[in-house]
Amino acid sequence: QVHLQESGPGLVKPSETLSLTCIVSNESISSSYWTWIRQSPGKGLDWIGYIHYSGTTNYNPSLKGRVSMSLDTSKNQFSLTLTSVTPADTAVYYCARDAGSSWGFDFWGQGAQVTVSS
Amino acid sequence: SSVLTQPPSVSVAPGKTATIPCGGDDIGSDSVHWYQQKPGQAPVLVIYYDSHRPSGTPERISGSNSGNTATLTISRVEAGDEADYYCQVWDSSSDLWVFGGGTKLTVL
Repeated sequence: QVHLQESGPGLVKPSETLSLTCIVSNESISSSYWTWIRQSPGKGLDWIGYIHYSGTTNYNPSLKGRVSMSLDTSKNQFSLTLTSVTPADTAVYYCARDAGSSWGFDFWGQGAQVTVSS
Repeated sequence: SSVLTQPPSVSVAPGKTATIPCGGDDIGSDSVHWYQQKPGQAPVLVIYYDSHRPSGTPERISGSNSGNTATLTISRVEAGDEADYYCQVWDSSSDLWVFGGGTKLTVL
């Protein structure tokens, strides 16, 4: 069973950078696509983007160039960076395995609450 | 890009059948996935590729997809089925994943 665990600061100041890491267990990150999703309070799911072990990334244009992702194969983890945050970026951030367009997101982390506030 | 439309809420009595639609332009040509999210928990994939169940999804939960509507059907609804349900597709024209707005299933 693939296990994912998000980690990172729970509070970020406006205009600063949000950084989260997702540690993957029981599966090599060199085998799949890995994705980030967020959910604002009381709202639905928003896809942020994915990264492939080859380094290929694909980001949701709605984030207008503020997002980047990276992976560390030595630690079997991948990361999300979101710059110039505002209170609108307050959300629960989930990492998940992207099994492909025909299979969806089959394993998810428990989620990390990030609040943007001064 | 694709827009997926779901009703905000569906209510059903225990033991009855719940149907949750997900509307989209020619969604029948896409692979639709469904997620169940209970309060305070991460979403869980319950249907992939329109109608396939991952291990752990009970046979009471099924999916179909045709034309402009994909449908999640839950038979013999139980109190434990009360959750938010989201549909999802890969929009190949825009190269991005799209979620429906979600449907809150209430068991009366």
